[in-house]
Amino acid sequence: SAVISQKPSRDICQRGTSLTIQCQVDSQVTMMFWYRQQPGQSLTLIATANQGSEATYESGFVIDKFPISRPNLTFSTLTVSNMSPEDSSIYLCSVWSPWFGYTFGSGTRLTVV
Amino acid sequence: SQQGEEDPQALSIQEGENATMNCSYKTSINNLQWYRQNSGRGLVHLILIRSNEREKHSGRLRVTLDTSKKSSSLLITASRAADTASYFCAAPSNAGGTSYGKLTFGQGTILTVHP
Repeated sequence: SAVISQKPSRDICQRGTSLTIQCQVDSQVTMMFWYRQQPGQSLTLIATANQGSEATYESGFVIDKFPISRPNLTFSTLTVSNMSPEDSSIYLCSVWSPWFGYTFGSGTRLTVV
Repeated sequence: SQQGEEDPQALSIQEGENATMNCSYKTSINNLQWYRQNSGRGLVHLILIRSNEREKHSGRLRVTLDTSKKSSSLLITASRAADTASYFCAAPSNAGGTSYGKLTFGQGTILTVHP
């Protein structure tokens, strides 16, 4: 499987600020995804990160709130903007490749105070 | 909405016992996957079963798939305290039943194995 480095692993942020989460993969991958896991809940897809173009967002998620970049086949960032306590969640990067299937990052535990 | 519905939501057993978790889904799938998550960390892929398979084994794990009932089960035999985690089913949810793409997850089962 691929090896994903997701940073930061956790952060505590003030409301109204923004946090950028990085996802670095050790090999080129076809697809990259960002998920949110609210406390005690399952995973919900935020968006599919597309290389060199705008991400494809799921219903209920918008680019202004969750801007995503994917400049190449091994790296993506997710920004959580203008944070409120409701954004406190675990954010997970995931990748897919036809060679090794799906791999998930270790997650970023975000607490907004 | 979630592709999978899992039951039970929580399961508490003693070490050595078997644990069975169930997952139901709504649309046609190409494959169904099971993941484990320890203490809110990243997900670990456990096993994938394709739509043309009915049963699959991996170590102490046994997965079944019934496409007529749109359901799957995960059995962990001879459980250990280290199996304590949340378990999720997931399936690719792109139109056309592709084998890859964005995953839709079930609600998950919290398994606690007491030593």
